[in-house]
Amino acid sequence: EVQLVESGGGLVQPGGSLRLSCAASGFPFSMYDMHWVRQPTGKGLEWVSGIGTTADTYYVGSVKGRFTISRENAKNSLYLQMNSLRGEDTAVYYCVSGQAGWAYWGRGTLVTVSS
Amino acid sequence: QSVLTQPPSASGASGQRVTISCSGSSSNIGTHLVYWYQQLPGTAPQLLIFNDNQRPSGVPDRFSGSKSGTSASLAISGLRSEDEADYYCAAWDDSLKGHVFGTGTEVTVL
Repeated sequence: EVQLVESGGGLVQPGGSLRLSCAASGFPFSMYDMHWVRQPTGKGLEWVSGIGTTADTYYVGSVKGRFTISRENAKNSLYLQMNSLRGEDTAVYYCVSGQAGWAYWGRGTLVTVSS
Repeated sequence: QSVLTQPPSASGASGQRVTISCSGSSSNIGTHLVYWYQQLPGTAPQLLIFNDNQRPSGVPDRFSGSKSGTSASLAISGLRSEDEADYYCAAWDDSLKGHVFGTGTEVTVL
């Protein structure tokens, strides 16, 4: 059974940092692109960042220079280092993967940026 | 502000057919594959349609996807109460060099 389990969310002040983690199991992690998708409460989905099997990385414009995605294949883990956090970064962050479409989603971890 | 536009809501009586549109451009839908996701209340999204019109195993054939030019559509036939959810289209965008989601459509079964 495929599982994606996010952790690391919480309350942080504007300008602060958080590191999200995603533990994957049930599929060959190193062979899959991995992504983070976020959703503010009551709003739509937004793709945040992705990392390929060769560690090539992609970001949505609003987080470039502030967020860093990485992966550790030996630990079947995905990370998102978030710096200089802003109020508009407040959302549930999902760890996501799949080959033809994103068939694998975690339950999400809530990040709240507020003073 | 998404580059893929969907109607905010759609509705139909039980058993009827509902169609949701997703309007994009040549840099996304016009060039790349389209995906549809269903998000039931309080849950994570799940893949509904991949590669424009393919259904993952387990998705009923009441759900179908299509694409023409820079627009895509999701049709739900034989509408059921358990279809009440938010639906999102998605595609890669060459101009943004990233994935984009549609604005989302809330489906209500009357």
